[in-house]
Amino acid sequence: DTGVSQDPRHKITKRGQNVTFRCDPISEHNRLYWYRQTLGQGPEFLTYFQNEAQLEKSRLLSDRFSAERPKGSFSTLEIQRTEQGDSAMYLCASSQTRGGRINEQYFGPGTRLTVT
Amino acid sequence: GENVEQHPSTLSVQEGDSAVIKCTYSDSASNYFPWYKQELGKGPQLIIDIRSNVGEKKDQRIAVTLNKTAKHFSLHITETQPEDSAVYFCAASKGGSGGSYIPTFGRGTSLIVHP
Repeated sequence: DTGVSQDPRHKITKRGQNVTFRCDPISEHNRLYWYRQTLGQGPEFLTYFQNEAQLEKSRLLSDRFSAERPKGSFSTLEIQRTEQGDSAMYLCASSQTRGGRINEQYFGPGTRLTVT
Repeated sequence: GENVEQHPSTLSVQEGDSAVIKCTYSDSASNYFPWYKQELGKGPQLIIDIRSNVGEKKDQRIAVTLNKTAKHFSLHITETQPEDSAVYFCAASKGGSGGSYIPTFGRGTSLIVHP
């Protein structure tokens, strides 16, 4: 169990550029969640996948955001035409729906995005 | 939707003292309550959780209590150590078999343990 990994850890981009983040969940976990966290706040849910199916999206996930999990393993989160308000920590978490420790979410280290 | 309130926002204690963080939730259907510890520059780490069919759970120096009637739950840390210093988040979620368990988080408590 190597834990949830995210890449890159930090990203600085100029307003209007597109960015893509990657998340690799714990290998046996079938659920993968994306969150956004701003300073002084708890994580806010964006979207989640069960295997390759995207099952729910938050109202926070504007049309500029898209997420994929093509083979039910790693996931990518893309932000198009970035805005300064997109600056935040983007967190990924994974969990499993069978076996022990059902639905316990384990977080990755996050990708800190700064839009200048 | 669910609303989670967390208090205090900052808690400063001396090493060896106990620390208590309290949360309330609004949705009576919530049935899973995890607690996370987040250190600077890291993602949240699950430290303990409780489900609505129990009132208390303990793991070494950490315990969580749940009062479903009053819709509040608390984290208790005994014999605090400097390495307990971090931001702690409570969360509430709901889901049965196949449910989403999407958590709503509190705003966090910054715990500072002075040596």
